[in-house]
Amino acid sequence: GAVVSQHPSRVICKSGTSVKIECRSLDFQATTMFWYRQFPKQSLMLMATSNEGSKATYEQGVEKDKFLINHASLTLSTLTVTSAHPEDSSFYICSASDRGNNSPLHFGNGTRLTVT
Amino acid sequence: QKEVEQDPGPLSVPEGAIVSLNCTYSNSAFQYFMWYRQYSRKGPELLMYTYSSGNKEDGRFTAQVDKSSKYISLFIRDSQPSDSATYLCAMSPNTGFQKLVFGTGTRLLVSP
Repeated sequence: GAVVSQHPSRVICKSGTSVKIECRSLDFQATTMFWYRQFPKQSLMLMATSNEGSKATYEQGVEKDKFLINHASLTLSTLTVTSAHPEDSSFYICSASDRGNNSPLHFGNGTRLTVT
Repeated sequence: QKEVEQDPGPLSVPEGAIVSLNCTYSNSAFQYFMWYRQYSRKGPELLMYTYSSGNKEDGRFTAQVDKSSKYISLFIRDSQPSDSATYLCAMSPNTGFQKLVFGTGTRLLVSP
């Protein structure tokens, strides 16, 4: 089945630094990938839609200059958390579909970000 | 009011029990309904999905959607300790499976 790989699984960084998270579709091409964020005991919340070869679409309340998304190829999307702060500490998960809009999303295993 | 409401649990049952997990929602535009299972520190794994109302069965799992009541359910028969996880309902409007709105998840504990 469709596999989405995410790296790293866990990262700890100091406040003010930037962190890059990679999301890869391993056995399919994904023109669109989705980035979600999950705070403890809260729902997964969609942050942005990553589109191959074009700008990402951000959900309301998500700062595009803080969460930089690059989708440079059909199998790779990256999320960079710039100038991270402790309140950015969360579980970031990417997802993609192997058949576009007509099939459910497959999720990566997530990245646990801790900003100290 | 949240668009999707789900009791966080935990729900504790003995092995072999029938488990009922539920979500309610407020947006009548939702047409696609999914259930994901999430183990600790892992991403969600798709269990089942349905479109519009009705039932769908897959092995020990049955998903039900009642759009008139804005209520969806996941039943697990003959529950096993390996079913212990957090179960997330997710839904989306008639734009397809993308841009999902999730419930908070129900933590299920199945004891041997």
